[in-house]
Amino acid sequence: QKEVEQDPGPLSVPEGAIVSLNCTYSNSAFQYFMWYRQYSRKGPELLMYTYSSGNKEDGRFTAQVDKSSKYISLFIRDSQPSDSATYLCAMSGGAQKLVFGQGTRLTINP
Amino acid sequence: SAVISQKPSRDICQRGTSLTIQCQVDSQVTMMFWYRQQPGQSLTLIATANQGSEATYESGFVIDKFPISRPNLTFSTLTVSNMSPEDSSIYLCSVRRGPYGYTFGSGTRLTVV
Repeated sequence: QKEVEQDPGPLSVPEGAIVSLNCTYSNSAFQYFMWYRQYSRKGPELLMYTYSSGNKEDGRFTAQVDKSSKYISLFIRDSQPSDSATYLCAMSGGAQKLVFGQGTRLTINP
Repeated sequence: SAVISQKPSRDICQRGTSLTIQCQVDSQVTMMFWYRQQPGQSLTLIATANQGSEATYESGFVIDKFPISRPNLTFSTLTVSNMSPEDSSIYLCSVRRGPYGYTFGSGTRLTVV
């Protein structure tokens, strides 16, 4: 079993839709949770981060962490074609290495 | 966040040869990380490079295949040795500041033929 599981998609939605991206994990030591966005032929860039459980909102993006269920989510509201990218969840126990999900390829259709 | 310059951005190499990838950071960092991203797969950590000491390799990766240099606090190289088609992948370097501050280079897209 992988430490972090993420549905690779691909996921295709119309512009303006609400997008939900999810990851599950097995390591209860994970405390730091991140979402990275990776455009084609680019390195991943940090999009959102959360410590422990709870929600965090930044503009059209909301990150949620449910440690009891070992489940994290990223919601994108009013999705735009520029949001088309691969989204990777990542997590760590702090000093430990960063563990990534497989990445979900998202396409927003105009 | 740090700015990372990675080169080459892509290369096509013959099997059996070696390629050295360079990573330059715009400020001093203690640890630099090298990742591999195979097609359709997640990022997998190859090794952690500390200045002045041997790199620490993850399970499944060995120094003979992926030698790493870290001559100073802003620069590192990763060599992919004796390449085979299975080494075709994207290789990324990364630096970290704090628990969230991971920054990645744009990656080196390697194709082995």
